[in-house]
Amino acid sequence: DVKVTQSSRYLVKRTGEKVFLECVQDMDHENMFWYRQDPGLGLRLIYFSYDVKMKEKGDIPEGYSVSREKKERFSLILESASTNQTSMYLCASKAWDEQYFGPGTRLTVT
Amino acid sequence: RKEVEQDPGPFNVPEGATVAFNCTYSNSASQSFFWYRQDCRKEPKLLMSVYSSGNEDGRFTAQLNRASQYISLLIRDSKLSDSATYLCVVNMNTGFQKLVFGTGTRLLVSP
Repeated sequence: DVKVTQSSRYLVKRTGEKVFLECVQDMDHENMFWYRQDPGLGLRLIYFSYDVKMKEKGDIPEGYSVSREKKERFSLILESASTNQTSMYLCASKAWDEQYFGPGTRLTVT
Repeated sequence: RKEVEQDPGPFNVPEGATVAFNCTYSNSASQSFFWYRQDCRKEPKLLMSVYSSGNEDGRFTAQLNRASQYISLLIRDSKLSDSATYLCVVNMNTGFQKLVFGTGTRLLVSP
């Protein structure tokens, strides 16, 4: 069965902290994605990766970076968390056209 | 104009009703279309793909109208368990094959 896991379901961080969100998929997919989802704005693509060590900016990359050292793992990094980064973060991996999502991490920055 | 637009709803319908949602997209070169379902506080999951000839899966029917650049989702005999947000998703067919998600249409089915 397809599985995408994320390291935390809920996370509370302080402004200025460095935050790591981890995502692991067990489907050997090459393509992985990070989105954030906010009410009224839908899912917005932050970064994606189509291979190990390869990454591309999505629509809203500012304030974020990513790391893909292994095929199964894609990490999202908030270098200095800010309150406007409070959101639901969803990781996904993709086979053909279907994206499989992880359960999400609800991040609150205070 | 947004790349993918949906009526946010909510659509309030009684059990057993038929309900339809539309979604419009801006890129005429788009090739692939999908409907995802998202339950409250859960991740989106693929409901069905939308093919040129239309696609039916039980009580769900998806249609594509390329000339008018919209896709639709029809749900017949609505169940309480159909209550969810339905996301329209379009493969923009640009470079990386990026999927663009609509903001979703909320459906509430009541007894």
